[in-house]
Amino acid sequence: GAVVSQHPSRVICKSGTSVKIECRSLDFQATTMFWYRQFPKQSLMLMATSNEGSKATYEQGVEKDKFLINHASLTLSTLTVTSAHPEDSSFYICSARRTRDEQYFGPGTRLTVT
Amino acid sequence: SQQGEEDPQALSIQEGENATMNCSYKTSINNLQWYRQNSGRGLVHLILIRSNEREKHSGRLRVTLDTSKKSSSLLITASRAADTASYFCATDKRADSWGKLQFGAGTQVVVTP
Repeated sequence: GAVVSQHPSRVICKSGTSVKIECRSLDFQATTMFWYRQFPKQSLMLMATSNEGSKATYEQGVEKDKFLINHASLTLSTLTVTSAHPEDSSFYICSARRTRDEQYFGPGTRLTVT
Repeated sequence: SQQGEEDPQALSIQEGENATMNCSYKTSINNLQWYRQNSGRGLVHLILIRSNEREKHSGRLRVTLDTSKKSSSLLITASRAADTASYFCATDKRADSWGKLQFGAGTQVVVTP
């Protein structure tokens, strides 16, 4: 199957700082990537759709100025959590769409804000 | 908001038994997918069933889809300890939202040797 990587896998940052998470499709090009968030023992919630060459589209209730998404190339999307607060601590997972029906998930990034 | 509801929330079985979990959803879909997640890890795609399909098999997995009832089930036969994980259904809705998955709450499955 196709491979999607995320970096870093874990990050701890102080409140008020910004953190960037990278999502890469390693063996295919993805014009569309998705960012999800998962709180402990809960399901995944779609945050935004990242489109190569255009602005990301955000789900209702997700602050676009707080969660900056940049899809700079066909293999890379980044999520920057700006001015992070403890309530932003979560598991962030990206996926990359390969075909209309196929998408592949990254291994996730655990963010802890102290 | 979550599209799907899953039941049971948790399931504990012994090796060799079958595990069945159900997923219900609210709106029309393009397809429904099942994923597995081991604790603290990413998602593994298990199976995709399209809205015009009623049943699909993959190895020890059997998925059914009833669009009239807006529900799906996942059956894992002859379970193994390695099947211990959380299982999520996810729906891909119609119209212009291909790939935007909405996940159910998940079923936590524990298989004891």
